[in-house]
Amino acid sequence: GENVEQHPSTLSVQEGDSAVIKCTYSDSASNYFPWYKQELGKRPQLIIDIRSNVGEKKDQRIAVTLNKTAKHFSLHITETQPEDSAVYFCAARRYTGNQFYFGTGTSLTVIP
Amino acid sequence: AAGVIQSPRHLIKEKRETATLKCYPIPRHDTVYWYQQGPGQDPQFLISFYEKMQSDKGSIPDRFSAQQFSDYHSELNMSSLELGDSALYFCASSLEGLAVYNEQFFGPGTRLTVL
Repeated sequence: GENVEQHPSTLSVQEGDSAVIKCTYSDSASNYFPWYKQELGKRPQLIIDIRSNVGEKKDQRIAVTLNKTAKHFSLHITETQPEDSAVYFCAARRYTGNQFYFGTGTSLTVIP
Repeated sequence: AAGVIQSPRHLIKEKRETATLKCYPIPRHDTVYWYQQGPGQDPQFLISFYEKMQSDKGSIPDRFSAQQFSDYHSELNMSSLELGDSALYFCASSLEGLAVYNEQFFGPGTRLTVL
């Protein structure tokens, strides 16, 4: 099955700085890679996703890059704000089956 | 816009008891997923249903069972509860059809506490 690894597990940045979270996956059949933001006790919420036929996607301060050859994808948050503080999960999904495989999460703290 | 509904939001049970969690997907969504999330853990995929048929199975214990009904709502039945079953249980739904890239929307979760 798929194995998704996520680094770092914790990340602290100063407000206004950039944050980068990286994930690797093992199954070359995975072709959909969403990123979720989860606040304490709340549901995971999709913040951005990328398909395997695209190398990069950007939405305002958030961007995701995908390297299919190396099997890794990264989340980039620029101009961080205190409200960006949360746990971020990456996930991967094969083109067959419904199962999403989640990374172990990154706890991001943005220091005002 | 309508979201995924889960009930109950909180549930307290004793060891060896039974619990039933319910999930009402977003209207017209045909796929339901169940996840278990322990404290400080990532969501662990349990099981999914597409058009009322089990479509994928993850780390769901044999003590648990689930089904999707004709109105597309789903129920997760948990028997012989153990202390380790205490967790947040999320349901998510998506519209799959013939597509393979569809976003899944999470419900608010049910917090199960086993005493």
